[in-house]
Amino acid sequence: NAGVTQTPKFRVLKTGQSMTLLCAQDMNHEYMYWYRQDPGMGLRLIHYSVGEGTTAKGEVPDGYNVSRLKKQNFLLGLESAAPSQTSVYFCASGFLGRGRDTQYFGPGTRLTVL
Amino acid sequence: AQSVTQPDIHITVSEGASLELRCNYSYGATPYLFWYVQSPGQGLQLLLKYFSGDTLVQGIKGFEAEFKRSQSSFNLRKPSVHWSDAAEYFCAVGDPGGGADGLTFGKGTHLIIQP
Repeated sequence: NAGVTQTPKFRVLKTGQSMTLLCAQDMNHEYMYWYRQDPGMGLRLIHYSVGEGTTAKGEVPDGYNVSRLKKQNFLLGLESAAPSQTSVYFCASGFLGRGRDTQYFGPGTRLTVL
Repeated sequence: AQSVTQPDIHITVSEGASLELRCNYSYGATPYLFWYVQSPGQGLQLLLKYFSGDTLVQGIKGFEAEFKRSQSSFNLRKPSVHWSDAAEYFCAVGDPGGGADGLTFGKGTHLIIQP
């Protein structure tokens, strides 16, 4: 039981490049989330999914796209990376939404955009 | 929109001393309340949560938190800190009503433990 895993752990991009961050969970959770963490800002919700095939916008969705083709995977895409997207990205999952139960977090992906 | 305030960016405590980290929220109703801890270079781990009922909740690692509706607060406490408690602590709320799913986090309090 690996919990929530994220790939890759580190990545450096040049402005304008694209990439996809992969989140996988093996707990059969319905709800999955992508957050970004910036110094002094706490965590902010980018996008989330309430089940396979569904996605919705969070607080800071601009510049990102997501997909949830399989229940266990939640992908975060950057089509044209910008320096403002330099951040640490965390994926989380849970059985219930709206914070009604524990959200389990992955170890994070540190992304630098030059 | 709901918000979470952690007034203290940094707190320094001597090992063995007591600890209180403050959290205030702004929301029309009582949200679901959480405290998470993040060790350097790690993800977040849940310490405790409050949904309803007894306003004093116990968590892991000897932490507890008290919900005070009149003050819109959910402060985290520990009677005696250990060096391993040095970390970043986040208060978070979940919206039981409408709006976007997910948690709203405070900006965090960085806890430093002095020997």
